Amino acid sequence: GEDVEQSLFLSVREGDSSVINCTYTDSSSTYLYWYKQEPGAGLQLLTYIFSNMDMKQDQRLTVLLNKKDKHLSLRIADTQTGDSAIYFCAERAQAGTALIFGKGTTLSVSS
Amino acid sequence: IAGITQAPTSQILAAGRRMTLRCTQDMRHNAMYWYRQDLGLGLRLIHYSNTAGTTGKGEVPDGYSVSRANTDDFPLTLASAVPSQTSVYFCASSEGPTDTQYFGPGTRLTVL
Repeated sequence: GEDVEQSLFLSVREGDSSVINCTYTDSSSTYLYWYKQEPGAGLQLLTYIFSNMDMKQDQRLTVLLNKKDKHLSLRIADTQTGDSAIYFCAERAQAGTALIFGKGTTLSVSS
Repeated sequence: IAGITQAPTSQILAAGRRMTLRCTQDMRHNAMYWYRQDLGLGLRLIHYSNTAGTTGKGEVPDGYSVSRANTDDFPLTLASAVPSQTSVYFCASSEGPTDTQYFGPGTRLTVL
């Protein structure tokens, strides 16, 4: 069945770049998403990428997709303490189906 | 525009009691979802509805039921709560070609 895997923790210093990685198993995935969850809050969509794209950039965020290896990454440039949160990778395999989420990566940013 | 609202924000419930978690969206999205979030397990889909009048089972549906009488509301009912249903519950809705899901703020439920 479909599965999405992420590392559980990442710790970086303020000002450094953060790279959060994700692998997925379903090669028919159409869209892949990154969500951010701050403490005590719901999930907030950060960005998404369509499966025919290799890269998407949005201000400090860069998403890279390697469809051959089924690998997705989220790079946050100039990481700030406000970026501390849990980041979820998710895939949508087919139109009209629910998203499949990874277990989330906790990003800790120290000053 | 509120987006998605959930009620209550938190609840402590005795085992065996019936409980309905409310979810309302004002974006006129066709699809709605209920997830539970547990430490170390991420988000797991409980039930979903692709459009008003239809519902479907997700990954962990046992002990839960849903209804979708109209587009805006998607309540989740625990008929007889058990301690293993202690969790944070998120409602979400989606629309459009990207199927981007928008989440409510969550309900923290504790079953004693």
